[in-house]
Amino acid sequence: KAGVTQTPRYLIKTRGQQVTLSCSPISGHRSVSWYQQTPGQGLQFLFEYFSETQRNKGNFPGRFSGRQFSNSRSEMNVSTLELGDSALYLCASSLGGSGEETQYFGPGTRLLVL
Amino acid sequence: SQQGEEDPQALSIQEGENATMNCSYKTSINNLQWYRQNSGRGLVHLILIRSNEREKHSGRLRVTLDTSKKSSSLLITASRAADTASYFCATGPGTQAGTALIFGKGTTLSVSS
Repeated sequence: KAGVTQTPRYLIKTRGQQVTLSCSPISGHRSVSWYQQTPGQGLQFLFEYFSETQRNKGNFPGRFSGRQFSNSRSEMNVSTLELGDSALYLCASSLGGSGEETQYFGPGTRLLVL
Repeated sequence: SQQGEEDPQALSIQEGENATMNCSYKTSINNLQWYRQNSGRGLVHLILIRSNEREKHSGRLRVTLDTSKKSSSLLITASRAADTASYFCATGPGTQAGTALIFGKGTTLSVSS
């Protein structure tokens, strides 16, 4: 079974631009969560989607948004990029989205904002 | 905000030695999980321990949980060079539905041969 895939793997943008990252979960998984990882703040939860609905949201500004499609693939969008948005963005999928399920992480998208 | 705080931040040992990492958290939990991350890549789930469990084993891994002290420890026995990675504890969303994990800052383990 294929693992979680994320595209693109690397991205360079400039301040003020917007970016869209994509995540394809493991086949059959309905929950997709997104995390931001930076050296200063560590791993922080962005949001979770389950059956095309945002179920949970972390403490991030409205510039960060996401969506999930009927095939469970998910995208996250960051508008008006800031230098501080440079980070590794990870998505994770799980079957039904229970807090006791194993989450399977993708390799991440490394975003550099100049 | 971080829920867990790992200790130590960095650990260097020789192959064959045991490695112990500790994690403290702030709020009540339903479960606590440990993940490994190799050099800025994706995380790999290692083990989950529920709040009503005190100890759990998986291969060379042993996890303990003390809910009264709000702390957990991960022991890796007979370490190998391949265990070199960052290790994170994470707590789940409690009674809230969903998968939102709150991670600690991690322990960077270096195992030399």
